[in-house]
Order: sequence, then C-alpha cells, then structure tokens
Amino acid sequence: QIQLVQSGAEVKKPGASVKVSCKTSGYTFSDYGVSWVRQAPGLGLEWVGWITPFNANTNYAQKFQDRVTMTTDTSTSTVYMEVRSLRSDDTAIYYCARGGSSAPPPNFDYWGQGTLVTVSS
Amino acid sequence: QSALTQPPSASGSPGQSVTISCTGTSSDVGGYNYVSWFQQYPGKAPKLMISEVDERPSGVPDRFSGSKSGSTASLTVSGLQAEDEAYYYCSSYAGTKNWVFGGGTKLTVL
Repeated sequence: QIQLVQSGAEVKKPGASVKVSCKTSGYTFSDYGVSWVRQAPGLGLEWVGWITPFNANTNYAQKFQDRVTMTTDTSTSTVYMEVRSLRSDDTAIYYCARGGSSAPPPNFDYWGQGTLVTVSS
Repeated sequence: QSALTQPPSASGSPGQSVTISCTGTSSDVGGYNYVSWFQQYPGKAPKLMISEVDERPSGVPDRFSGSKSGSTASLTVSGLQAEDEAYYYCSSYAGTKNWVFGGGTKLTVL
C-alpha cells in the first residue's frame, strides 16, 4: 500500500535550520511529485511547495522561496524539505503529500503523518 | 496568494444535510476545475474526500458531494453521521503550478 512516513519532531532555536524527511513506498517514486503543506497550531493548511523526483524540479510558494529547499534521494524514495532562518511563526506541523506538481490529479491523495517543528528560544 | 475563504463553523443534526462553502477568485477556484476537499480529525493528517470539484476517491461515502459555481465551491454532506464531525478544508489550483488552501471549517454534528 502507498505510504509516506515522515521523520520525527524537531525543536529548533530561532535562526536555525531544520530538515524534514518523507520516505515514500508503494508506488513508483519517479512518477509523482511530492508536496509539502504546513499547519500552524490551531490554524489552517498552507501550501509550501513541491518537487518532482524525476528531474528534481521544484516550485515554492512565494513566501517561502528564500528559505525553503526541497530535495530528493531516488535511491531511498525519500523527499527532504529544509527550512532556514527559522522564526517562531514557523512553528507548525509539516506534512508531505503525494502530487501537486501538475494540475491534473492525483494530487494530495496520500499524506504523511506530519512532523511537528517547534521554534523556540 | 490569499487563502480561500471558508466559514469557520457549520453544524447539523444527524441525518440532515450541511453545505460548506469555499470562496476564491477567478485566478483559482473560478479559473480551474481542480478544487479538492479534505477531512481532518484533530491530531491526524488530512484525508482527500473530493477532487476535481466533484470526484469522490475510492472508499469515500457517496454522502459527500462537491460542486462549484463561479468562484465558489461547495461541499455537501448528506445524511450526517456522528463520525462526520471534523474539520474540512478546500484547496484549489491557482495557476503556474501553485496551490492555495482554505482556512478550514469545523463541522459539528449536533
């Protein structure tokens, strides 16, 4: 079955960086993009960006373009997202989800369990 | 990219129908038929309930249906059941390979 399994919770200080992983299985990794979506405590979902494992193309939401980098490791079918210069308002659960790199579906049909990133001094 | 607008809450009694709206612009909801709806229980990941405005993925009960008129999309839950109490989020393709989500609606089954 299709699964996306994310790395564990992180606690970081303001100004630091964090790298979250999303290991996929159950489908052909190179056939689908992977998106990242975050959810601040008590708030809604916010799209961060996507990466296509086939050619490592990326597209980030404008507000994250300067601080986010997404990469892939095709040997382990894993996607990574690094967020730099962390601020307190980056505290959120970060989800990976299959799809999002093109308009036609499937998009966001399978999700990881989420990774809580806490930014606190 | 501004978030799509959803009512913060909605409610209905068991067996009733409830509709949740999702309002965007001509650059997102109004411009593309790529509106999705997600169900999220507290502490859990979102689950895709509707894609492409009105398509139900396999396994989603047919009590859930979607529609769109202009720049407003809607999710209707018919025959409300206790397990439908959750948060619901809409999303839309917003062009140039970008996506936007709604602020979420808490559905309460009275």
